[in-house]
Amino acid sequence: DGGITQSPKYLFRKEGQNVTLSCEQNLNHDAMYWYRQDPGQGLRLIYYSQIVNDFQKGDIAEGYSVSREKKESFPLTVTSAQKNPTAFYLCASSIKGHTEAFFGQGTRLTVV
Amino acid sequence: DQQVKQNSPSLSVQEGRISILNCDYTNSMFDYFLWYKKYPAEGPTFLISISSIKDKNEDGRFTVFLNKSAKHLSLHIVPSQPGDSAVYFCAAHSYNQGGKLIFGQGTELSVKP
Repeated sequence: DGGITQSPKYLFRKEGQNVTLSCEQNLNHDAMYWYRQDPGQGLRLIYYSQIVNDFQKGDIAEGYSVSREKKESFPLTVTSAQKNPTAFYLCASSIKGHTEAFFGQGTRLTVV
Repeated sequence: DQQVKQNSPSLSVQEGRISILNCDYTNSMFDYFLWYKKYPAEGPTFLISISSIKDKNEDGRFTVFLNKSAKHLSLHIVPSQPGDSAVYFCAAHSYNQGGKLIFGQGTELSVKP
């Protein structure tokens, strides 16, 4: 089945530790995105990538890093510099030039 | 700077009646608008979209209206069903901002039997 897979669904980390969230797609989409959802704030764009080996900062990139070494994969690292890392993280992908984005099921990250 | 705004955090509607969800935007360069539906702890799913050159798009029970002069769009669901209860996000596509989608805050729709 084609789709976007985010893993794990739930993730717990201690404060001060870096953590990497996985996002894989087999839709052959060029563009991939990371969003963060907090209550009452909708979906805010962290990073996006339109092509392999290239990515751009979104609206709230501070404290996050990404890589796009393969078309299928767009991992997000939440670093210790991110002040409020506890959130629901959503990965999405789209065909370049198309407007509709397809989302994964999300990863709930809790930092204690 | 919120470019896409959904000013109603929640909406409650009786089953069978019309649900109207609203969305306002500030950037006149947006070229497409989309509505997504989201259940708790799941990713959003695409519902319906409209090009900025149109003023209406219909798909079954769902119709999206776009008023460019007012920079306002709305999603109409008729008739509303209990299974429509979810959070609805309005999103705007910005070709000149790298093709990214900019989302509103969401409106939680509750359809009561």
